[in-house]
Amino acid sequence: GAVVSQHPSRVICKSGTSVKIECRSLDFQATTMFWYRQFPKQSLMLMATSNEGSKATYEQGVEKDKFLINHASLTLSTLTVTSAHPEDSSFYICSARALAPMNTEAFFGQGTRLTVV
Amino acid sequence: AQSVTQLGSHVSVSEGALVLLRCNYSSSVPPYLFWYVQYPNQGLQLLLKYTSAATLVKGINGFEAEFKKSETSFHLTKPSAHMSDAAEYFCAVSHSGGSNYKLTFGKGTLLTVNP
Repeated sequence: GAVVSQHPSRVICKSGTSVKIECRSLDFQATTMFWYRQFPKQSLMLMATSNEGSKATYEQGVEKDKFLINHASLTLSTLTVTSAHPEDSSFYICSARALAPMNTEAFFGQGTRLTVV
Repeated sequence: AQSVTQLGSHVSVSEGALVLLRCNYSSSVPPYLFWYVQYPNQGLQLLLKYTSAATLVKGINGFEAEFKKSETSFHLTKPSAHMSDAAEYFCAVSHSGGSNYKLTFGKGTLLTVNP
């Protein structure tokens, strides 16, 4: 149980286009989902926290209009990188927190490698 | 505020040797502590977690960690390294309960296992 599926696993896009990444909790309801960005050989940096049906809370320094997050249901959150540029190339990982009693840990997706050319 | 310090960005051991990955935390409230493993181009897999129960926590793949409040440490150990243990390991901390469930990660430790 507690599987989080992230899609796509890899995507290459042209500079100026938008890319959508999906994060789904397959066998549980996720009250809260988190989006992280990971640069090569570095740790995970939290970008934003999203709760179902409400606006995402972005971390300081993360552009809200650049990284659009939608959490329309208890099993799906999406991250859209708008007008992507090469500097947006990175590894993006989502995680989901379940309802109690499983809410003490977050379950991670497998990540999306975004390359902007 | 909470933070995690992982001592040693790279640890190299021989197959069959003891694995010790160090993690120290800082938290103003009782913490939840986690160790995750990440293989190349993959997400994070939970190895084990401390949530204020037993201080010695056993996880998957033979790993365990001991919570030492006096030392603010949560070091990860495994008695005998296997080649498949080669990966990046992250220690993380969050507040215990409540709505603030943000995970703060350490910078990670790359474990290499030599034959």
